[in-house]
Amino acid sequence: KAGVTQTPRYLIKTRGQQVTLSCSPISGHRSVSWYQQTPGQGLQFLFEYFSETQRNKGNFPGRFSGRQFSNSRSEMNVSTLELGDSALYLCASSIQSYTDTQYFGPGTRLTVL
Amino acid sequence: DAKTTQPPSMDCAEGRAANLPCNHSTISGNEYVYWYRQIHSQGPQYIIHGLKNNETNEMASLIITEDRKSSTLILPHATLRDTAVYYCIVRVNYGGSQGNLIFGKGTKLSVKP
Repeated sequence: KAGVTQTPRYLIKTRGQQVTLSCSPISGHRSVSWYQQTPGQGLQFLFEYFSETQRNKGNFPGRFSGRQFSNSRSEMNVSTLELGDSALYLCASSIQSYTDTQYFGPGTRLTVL
Repeated sequence: DAKTTQPPSMDCAEGRAANLPCNHSTISGNEYVYWYRQIHSQGPQYIIHGLKNNETNEMASLIITEDRKSSTLILPHATLRDTAVYYCIVRVNYGGSQGNLIFGKGTKLSVKP
């Protein structure tokens, strides 16, 4: 069974731009969670989607948003990029809930200049 | 904040068992112990989890003390590919923020030839 895939793997943007990242979960998994990883703050939970609805949210500003499609694929959007948004963005999928075992994708490395 | 304490780094000789400790003295009765690892710049990889009994799978063994205040992840025959940061996480398996995966700083395991 194929794992979690994320596209693109690398991205370079400038301050003020917006970016959209994509995540395809493991086949049959319906829950998708997003995380941000930086050297200073470590791995932090952003939000979780199930059945096209956001069910759980971390402590991030409204510039960070997401959505999920009927096929469980998910996108994450960051508007008005700041230098501090440079990070590895990770997506994880689980069968029904974020409280099930989560399986992570390889991540998207975002650099904001 | 993470509810676990791990040593920041450990070394292990290739072919020997790697024993990674984790302290979770404030764990509650319905919280599971999860272990993930992250090889440099890749997404975290699920290893194993347990509630109170010892668990074993093809990757590792998890030993949880009787009072559940600490646990040890055992990689029976460490290889160079096991060099990674290992995260010990405690969380419940139902909804709410207590079900979130909260990553601490982990233990950097270096397997040496």
